[in-house]
Amino acid sequence: SQELEQSPQSLIVQEGKNLTINCTSSKTLYGLYWYKQKYGEGLIFLMMLQKGGEEKSHEKITAKLDEKKQQSSLHITASQPSHAGIYLCGAPFDTGTASKLTFGTGTRLQVTL
Amino acid sequence: NAGVMQNPRHLVRRRGQEARLRCSPMKGHSHVYWYRQLPEEGLKFMVYLQKENIIDESGMPKERFSAEFPKEGPSILRIQQVVRGDSAAYFCASSPGRGLANYGYTFGSGTRLTVV
Repeated sequence: SQELEQSPQSLIVQEGKNLTINCTSSKTLYGLYWYKQKYGEGLIFLMMLQKGGEEKSHEKITAKLDEKKQQSSLHITASQPSHAGIYLCGAPFDTGTASKLTFGTGTRLQVTL
Repeated sequence: NAGVMQNPRHLVRRRGQEARLRCSPMKGHSHVYWYRQLPEEGLKFMVYLQKENIIDESGMPKERFSAEFPKEGPSILRIQQVVRGDSAAYFCASSPGRGLANYGYTFGSGTRLTVV
């Protein structure tokens, strides 16, 4: 079973609309990372959340961490075509080296004109 | 300040050949991580290395795969006798120290391996 479940798996929104992507963990979260992957390219770091209740924003993207619910959400306001891609959440479940991430299966976002 | 550099970007190998994937970390980063993204699957951790040391190889397949990060030069992920199932995107990330809480990762653009 997947340790990090993302929902929805894919999403098509019209330009200008808001959207939310969720990442739910089956284990205690000690931090949560959001990345964006353009099709066929590498991963771009978006945000790192470390504390329960933490909320961060960058441009039109806001991410929150709810430790009690073992969940994080990524919200995009007024979506643009440049937001299209695959959004991945990742969490460090390994408390040994604390240096490897387990990733969710991703959410594919398409933004239509 | 160049980011994490991976080469080649695309690599085609016939079954049975060897594949060598290179990763040069960001300047000042001495910790390197390799991940594999199989088609229709998520990104999976393979190995974590510091200079001349393998710290965690819990995600490496038991056979045919090896990784190194020598004192000088890039980190190398080596796949011997490749099979079709090795076709995937291989990503490298680097950080200046241990512990994601302190440093986070910077990823390279990946090497897409196709085995024919």
